Amino acid sequence: QQQVKQSPQSLIVQKGGISIINCAYENTAFDYFPWYQQFPGKGPALLIAIRPDVSEKKEGRFTISFNKSAKQFSLHIMDSQPGDSATYFCAARLPSNDYKLSFGAGTTVTVRA
Amino acid sequence: DTGVSQDPRHKITKRGQNVTFRCDPISEHNRLYWYRQTLGQGPEFLTYFQNEAQLEKSRLLSDRFSAERPKGSFSTLEIQRTEQGDSAMYLCASSTHGEKLFFGSGTQLSVL
Repeated sequence: QQQVKQSPQSLIVQKGGISIINCAYENTAFDYFPWYQQFPGKGPALLIAIRPDVSEKKEGRFTISFNKSAKQFSLHIMDSQPGDSATYFCAARLPSNDYKLSFGAGTTVTVRA
Repeated sequence: DTGVSQDPRHKITKRGQNVTFRCDPISEHNRLYWYRQTLGQGPEFLTYFQNEAQLEKSRLLSDRFSAERPKGSFSTLEIQRTEQGDSAMYLCASSTHGEKLFFGSGTQLSVL
């Protein structure tokens, strides 16, 4: 079963707008939550990651918001640019299986100029 | 290029044939992973090596699948008697620890 549920499946945003992608999980033992960015024909690349003891992490235009009680986390892309058009995956990892990431189904973001 | 390299990039085969993919990780990375990705889905974990030892195999990896990492360097993933359901992107990744995986561009397998 999918351990991390991601929404929406796709979104379109105007250049300069904010893209928001949400993920939910059930297993409270997860201790690491990364976001990966994937362009067509390429493998995923780590974008930003957070641990559950932090409620927010920001790197440039990308911010993760983490709500431990709701078991949800989200990616915000501020001032979205056409170059941000890609598929974004959230993921989670158990400390006992630190070699295995459980990925969400992905969100395809299209930024219109 | 010092990234993760996968070969071939694309493979078309007929059902029942055997195929083998190769992955060359980043040289100093002792951890190597194989994931499978189907259209519209996120990558799914298949197997994990620490140096030359295969430490974990997903139940997704049936008996027709075998992976090796001789000498703890490159890795191969072989699929015997391919089935149409094996059609997917096979991704290799490497890392020095459980965080920040570096993925290759994958091998796209099409089984006709």
